[in-house]
Amino acid sequence: DAGITQSPRHKVTETGTPVTLRCHQTENHRYMYWYRQDPGHGLRLIHYSYGVKDTDKGEVSDGYSVSRSKTEDFLLTLESATSSQTSVYFCAISESELLNTEAFFGQGTRLTVV
Amino acid sequence: KQEVTQIPAALSVPEGENLVLNCSFTDSAIYNLQWFRQDPGKGLTSLLLIQSSQREQTSGRLNASLDKSSGRSTLYIAASQPGDSATYLCAVLRGPYSGGGADGLTFGKGTHLIIQP
Repeated sequence: DAGITQSPRHKVTETGTPVTLRCHQTENHRYMYWYRQDPGHGLRLIHYSYGVKDTDKGEVSDGYSVSRSKTEDFLLTLESATSSQTSVYFCAISESELLNTEAFFGQGTRLTVV
Repeated sequence: KQEVTQIPAALSVPEGENLVLNCSFTDSAIYNLQWFRQDPGKGLTSLLLIQSSQREQTSGRLNASLDKSSGRSTLYIAASQPGDSATYLCAVLRGPYSGGGADGLTFGKGTHLIIQP
């Protein structure tokens, strides 16, 4: 299994509070991604990173920010959590944009906003 | 905008049968296509990756094909077993230099497969 660790695995938080999810990889892969998975919508890309301090928005980026200060860590922050952000969040990594593009996923973080 | 569709949404078959899961995508400018398996409450496990220049990939009892021009892929599972029960997801990666927009994988909504003992 690819060395991807997501933390926390489960979290319940109140509306309006900030929340940070962490993705840590031991594979030294260049690309990291955050997705959310919701019934009826499948998996959708939130943000991605193509290197340290290099990030870009995905399909559903509103209300989320990311940071990548080290190759191995990619943080997803909900500045002010809303109930619509209740979801399962997955981190993924891939080595390159041209070669070895296979994506590997973490085990997910289940976030509930009450 | 790339859209990925998986048919059927659910499938239940007796153990031992061969089966085919279908995936279609609207924009043929893809770099690769990847099949995943997801067990309930778990993450995604990569099954097969097909580069856009390839026609098929095989791993054990699994065979995935890709027809990029028609926007279709199939996942063939031979001699199905109860342990194959899971949700199978198809995802495509946008081709490099194909213009602006979000990077990363575009997923279908999956096929929920049940293999009856």
